[in-house]
Amino acid sequence: EVQLVESGGGLVQPGGSLRLSCAASGFTFSSYWMHWVRQAPGKGLVWVSRINSDGSTTNYADSVKGRFTISRDNAKNTLYLQMNSLRAEDTAVYYCARRVSSSAPYYFDYWGQGTLVTVSS
Amino acid sequence: DIQMTQSPSSLSASVGDRVTITCRASQSISSYLNWYQQKPGKAPKLLIYAASSLQSGVPSRFSGSGSGTDFSLTISSLQPEDFATYSCQQSHSTPWTFGQGTKVEMK
Repeated sequence: EVQLVESGGGLVQPGGSLRLSCAASGFTFSSYWMHWVRQAPGKGLVWVSRINSDGSTTNYADSVKGRFTISRDNAKNTLYLQMNSLRAEDTAVYYCARRVSSSAPYYFDYWGQGTLVTVSS
Repeated sequence: DIQMTQSPSSLSASVGDRVTITCRASQSISSYLNWYQQKPGKAPKLLIYAASSLQSGVPSRFSGSGSGTDFSLTISSLQPEDFATYSCQQSHSTPWTFGQGTKVEMK
C-alpha cells in the first residue's frame, strides 16, 4: 500500500526556518517525481515545488523561490522541504504528493495527510 | 502562469441531484486537466485525470469532459459521501495551478 507521511510542521516565528519531511513507503520511491502542495486555512490548493526522481532537477513557485529548498534521499525513501525566511503568508497545511510515473498527462495519484505550518509571533 | 477559474464557488444540492462544476483555463491546456475531491481535514483525492479518465476505484457517477480551456465535472446522482470540495488542476505547464475550489453543500 502506498503511503506518504509528512512530519516537521509546527509553530515558527516570522523569519524562522523549518524542515518538513515526507516518508514514503509501498512503492519504489526513487522512480517517482515528487511535489509539495500547500493549502492556507480556508483557501485553495497551491503548488509549491517539485523534484525529479534522482534529485537533479527542481522547480519552485515564485512565492517561495530563494527561500525554500526541496530535496530527497532515495536511500531513506524520504522527501524534504527546507523552509527559510518564513512569512505569515506561508502558514498552511503542506502536502507531499506523488506524480504518476507514466508519460503525460500527469497528475497526483497519492497524497500525504499533510502537516500544518503556522508562522506567527 | 495559467489561471484556473471554477464556478460556482459553492452550491447547495440534495441527494440524488445532478451536479455540474465548471473549470476554465486562461489559455489552452489541451486535456491536461485533473479533478480532485477534498473533505475537511483530509488530503485531496484524485477523481478524474486527463479531463475525462476516471481514476481506478472512483464511482462511475463521476464524469469529466472538456478540452482546450473549458472543462466540467459532473456527479450524475449526488450521494451523501459526495458533499465535499472539488478542485480542478492543470498539468499542462509549470507551475501546475489549481482552481479555487467548489464546495458542494447539502441543501
